Amino acid sequence: NAGVTQTPKFRVLKTGQSMTLLCAQDMNHEYMYWYRQDPGMGLRLIHYSVGEGTTAKGEVPDGYNVSRLKKQNFLLGLESAAPSQTSVYFCASSPRTAWANVLTFGAGSRLTVL
Amino acid sequence: QKEVEQDPGPLSVPEGAIVSLNCTYSNSAFQYFMWYRQYSRKGPELLMYTYSSGNKEDGRFTAQVDKSSKYISLFIRDSQPSDSATYLCAMSASPYNFNKFYFGSGTKLNVKP
Repeated sequence: NAGVTQTPKFRVLKTGQSMTLLCAQDMNHEYMYWYRQDPGMGLRLIHYSVGEGTTAKGEVPDGYNVSRLKKQNFLLGLESAAPSQTSVYFCASSPRTAWANVLTFGAGSRLTVL
Repeated sequence: QKEVEQDPGPLSVPEGAIVSLNCTYSNSAFQYFMWYRQYSRKGPELLMYTYSSGNKEDGRFTAQVDKSSKYISLFIRDSQPSDSATYLCAMSASPYNFNKFYFGSGTKLNVKP
């Protein structure tokens, strides 16, 4: 049981390049999230999804897009990377139960934008 | 003002010590309180989950919630080097306010052998 798997684990981009971070979960969770973690800032929600085909903005959505075409996958895209997007990105998921606010996190994707 | 405040540490203690980690919050509507543990270069993992006030114990870990003071604590007894990690508190008013799960910035704990 892999839980939440993120790819890639590391990536270096140049300013203006685009990329997609992939997240897959095998727990049949309904809800999925993308967070970024920066020193002293804690975890900040970028986008989230409450089900297949749905997405919604979080606290810091600018510069990112997401898609959830399949229940088990949640993709985070950067169309034109900026140095301010250098961060560690975490995907998370949670079940459609009373434990919906208990998140299972992936191992993170460390992105550097030069 | 941040919704959740947490001292970043680092906190360094000798093996076997009792550790106290704390968070304060401003929103009296918070009912659900969690502690996550995050090892270096890993994702956070749930350690403790508490609803409303009171204490919850799990092995060497005790979570305590004081809603009147808007203060939560995590106690670790007989701390071990393997407890060295960053501890994040998290809280919400409802399980279904998906864009309103609030995390502390984490306290880094180092337990020396």
